[in-house]
Amino acid sequence: DVKVTQSSRYLVKRTGEKVFLECVQDMDHENMFWYRQDPGLGLRLIYFSYDVKMKEKGDIPEGYSVSREKKERFSLILESASTNQTSMYLCASSSKRINYNEQFFGPGTRLTVL
Amino acid sequence: AQSVSQHNHHVILSEAASLELGCNYSYGGTVNLFWYVQYPGQHLQLLLKYFSGDPLVKGIKGFEAEFIKSKFSFNLRKPSVQWSDTAEYFCAVNAPGYSTLTFGKGTMLLVSP
Repeated sequence: DVKVTQSSRYLVKRTGEKVFLECVQDMDHENMFWYRQDPGLGLRLIYFSYDVKMKEKGDIPEGYSVSREKKERFSLILESASTNQTSMYLCASSSKRINYNEQFFGPGTRLTVL
Repeated sequence: AQSVSQHNHHVILSEAASLELGCNYSYGGTVNLFWYVQYPGQHLQLLLKYFSGDPLVKGIKGFEAEFIKSKFSFNLRKPSVQWSDTAEYFCAVNAPGYSTLTFGKGTMLLVSP
């Protein structure tokens, strides 16, 4: 069974703080993704990575950065958190070896920025 | 660029009613299509997928979806819903060989007992 874990289920931070969200997958997947989920907006892709140290911008990368130093771990960084980054953050992974690229999701981190 | 449109943001049904959630996509080439479900408090999980072959796809928990290429549609159906089907449903699409998925905005289904 694929397992994608995220470091926190709930996080409360103050405006201006640096925030790290961690994601780990245990299925040796090449691809990893960070989304934010907001009511009425669905899932929007922030960044993704298709290999160690590789990253690509998604649809809404502004205000975020990512790090992938190891294959199993993908971190999302908010350099200076702002209130409009209050959201649910979802991590996902998928294999390059399967054509249809099903993504497996973690439980999410609900981030509140005060 | 791909886009996905889900017709209804909220659907309310009584138990045993039939369900159909609409999904249309815009992309000219071959596509892979997915329906994901998110039960309250749980993580997003795959309900069913289409990537080739029979356009009528059966998934978990009695759900099915039909790919109609001429209509660019992939509607989700279930003949008789249960209270436990209360969840948010997301349609998603990608092109074969591409890693990223494009998601619709989701449909919140509430099934009343």
